[in-house]
Amino acid sequence: GAVVSQHPSRVICKSGTSVKIECRSLDFQATTMFWYRQFPKQSLMLMATSNEGSKATYEQGVEKDKFLINHASLTLSTLTVTSAHPEDSSFYICSASPGANTNEKLFFGSGTQLSVL
Amino acid sequence: GESVGLHLPTLSVQEGDNSIINCAYSNSASDYFIWYKQESGKGPQFIIDIRSNMDKRQGQRVTVLLNKTVKHLSLQIAATQPGDSAVYFCAENNFNKFYFGSGTKLNVKP
Repeated sequence: GAVVSQHPSRVICKSGTSVKIECRSLDFQATTMFWYRQFPKQSLMLMATSNEGSKATYEQGVEKDKFLINHASLTLSTLTVTSAHPEDSSFYICSASPGANTNEKLFFGSGTQLSVL
Repeated sequence: GESVGLHLPTLSVQEGDNSIINCAYSNSASDYFIWYKQESGKGPQFIIDIRSNMDKRQGQRVTVLLNKTVKHLSLQIAATQPGDSAVYFCAENNFNKFYFGSGTKLNVKP
């Protein structure tokens, strides 16, 4: 299957700092990537859709100024959690599809565990 | 997003038995579904998918059934093994986005 790489796998930061998470498609190009958030023992919640060369689209209730997304190339999307607070602590996962459109198999990165102190 | 829910939060089975994990979806317009397996601290792993023009699809030891009439999906795992222990999610494609159900934890007893 297609490989999606996510970095870092774990980050601990102080409250008020910003954290950047990278998501790369290693063996395919992805015009669209998706960012999910997962709390312990809960499901994945779609946060936003990252579109190469254009603005990301955010799900209802997700603050776009809080979670900045940049999709500068066909193989890289970044999520920046700005001014992180303890309630932002969560497991963040990116995903992408190697298909021509987004109604194809979706592959996931290994996730980033963010802990805000 | 649309609601995709599961009937059973935890399922315990004996090694070697068959497992059945269920999922209900709410959007009758959804035309593509995927089952994922997630182990602790890892990203979801693709298991099997099915499109709405099918009612059954088989993979290696896994079968997905789709009942569009009642908007229900199931994942059948044959001869369940300890390595199958994980949380299983169904995902529904709605307007080219995937929304996840609440998940079922599968415990395989040796």
